[in-house]
Amino acid sequence: KQEVTQIPAALSVPEGENLVLNCSFTDSAIYNLQWFRQDPGKGLTSLLLIQSSQREQTSGRLNASLDKSSGRSTLYIAASQPGDSATYLCAVGVGYGQNFVFGPGTRLSVLP
Amino acid sequence: NAGVTQTPKFRVLKTGQSMTLLCAQDMNHEYMYWYRQDPGMGLRLIHYSVGEGTTAKGEVPDGYNVSRLKKQNFLLGLESAAPSQTSVYFCASMGPVLYNEQFFGPGTRLTVL
Repeated sequence: KQEVTQIPAALSVPEGENLVLNCSFTDSAIYNLQWFRQDPGKGLTSLLLIQSSQREQTSGRLNASLDKSSGRSTLYIAASQPGDSATYLCAVGVGYGQNFVFGPGTRLSVLP
Repeated sequence: NAGVTQTPKFRVLKTGQSMTLLCAQDMNHEYMYWYRQDPGMGLRLIHYSVGEGTTAKGEVPDGYNVSRLKKQNFLLGLESAAPSQTSVYFCASMGPVLYNEQFFGPGTRLTVL
């Protein structure tokens, strides 16, 4: 059974710092990996989608990498801003119907 | 383009009552999903559908039923609500092409007393 973990569970940084969020999964047989952002009381917003054949994806200040063989993905956020404060979730696409298995999330606070 | 919408946004039920949550998407997506999100448990898949007229069980299907009579709609039913079903419910959809990404609705906050 696929299991996804995220470290750290919570992170607090001063504005302007570069930071890395980690996601690990137990089974390397995945179709893709998706990073989401969730603001309190809101739905999930897709940030980046990495196909299983890809190594990384970039969007603005965000860069996500994927190492299937080691079961790891990282989300790099450059020059963090208070508006980046949210919970970040990773999810791996698996199986029939391409279901996603989610990690528990990392709660990020960027202090002004 | 409204994306994925969910109705209602909030609901309070008494134990034993029934209700239906509606998810609608206007992106012509084949795949649709129902998740629940609980503190400390993350998002867990309840049921999903790979096309009109199809449904399948996810990780936590007990106590729920679903129907996909129209491609754009995916309904989640609770026949006899229990306090353990207090949660935030999210619907998501995804296109037919392999390696596509999921789009989520805003969620329905359900409380069962």
